[in-house]
Amino acid sequence: EVQLVESGGGLVQPGGSLRLSCEASGLTFSDYWLSWVRQAPGKGLEWVANIKQDGSEKNYVDSVKGRFTISRDNAKNSLWLQMNSLRAEDTAVYYCTRGGWHPEHWGQGTLVTVSS
Amino acid sequence: DIVMTQSPATLSVSPGERATLSCRASQSISSNLAWYQQKPGQAPRLLISGASTRATGIPARFSGSGSGTEFTLTISSLQSEDFAVYYCQQYNNWPRTFGQGTKVEIK
Repeated sequence: EVQLVESGGGLVQPGGSLRLSCEASGLTFSDYWLSWVRQAPGKGLEWVANIKQDGSEKNYVDSVKGRFTISRDNAKNSLWLQMNSLRAEDTAVYYCTRGGWHPEHWGQGTLVTVSS
Repeated sequence: DIVMTQSPATLSVSPGERATLSCRASQSISSNLAWYQQKPGQAPRLLISGASTRATGIPARFSGSGSGTEFTLTISSLQSEDFAVYYCQQYNNWPRTFGQGTKVEIK
């Protein structure tokens, strides 16, 4: 069974930083694109970033370019999202997903709240 | 960016009835469209990819159709567990984009 477990969310002040982690099990981690998708409270879904199997290709939505960095370590079955210069509008549940096109597997999400 | 527009925003349906949800893309996305179901407090669940291919374990009452810019998700006979929010998502271009969602509620 594929499991994706996010951690690292919490309350952070505007301008601050946070690093989200996702640990995967039940899959051959290095075979898949991975992505982060977020959902603001009571709102819809927004695809944030994705990363190729070997980390050689990364894509970001415009609203996070230059502030967020997606990375992975296939030896550790781990995915990260480094978030800098956080803004109130980054407040959301962040989901780790397996896939770069139409994810079939999602984690339970981790809540990031940006507020003073 | 490709804008995905779903209609209606809310659909009130009685159990056992048919539900038809629409999704329109601002430009052609071929058949690169997925549908998700989301219940409160849960992660989205993939229902359909390739506009019409059901994901693993998805009941046959869920069906998808369309190509280009117009797409439809049909739930043939609504069960109690189907009341949820449904999102369409295009994966033809980056950034991947979602519709704003259709809430299917009990009539």
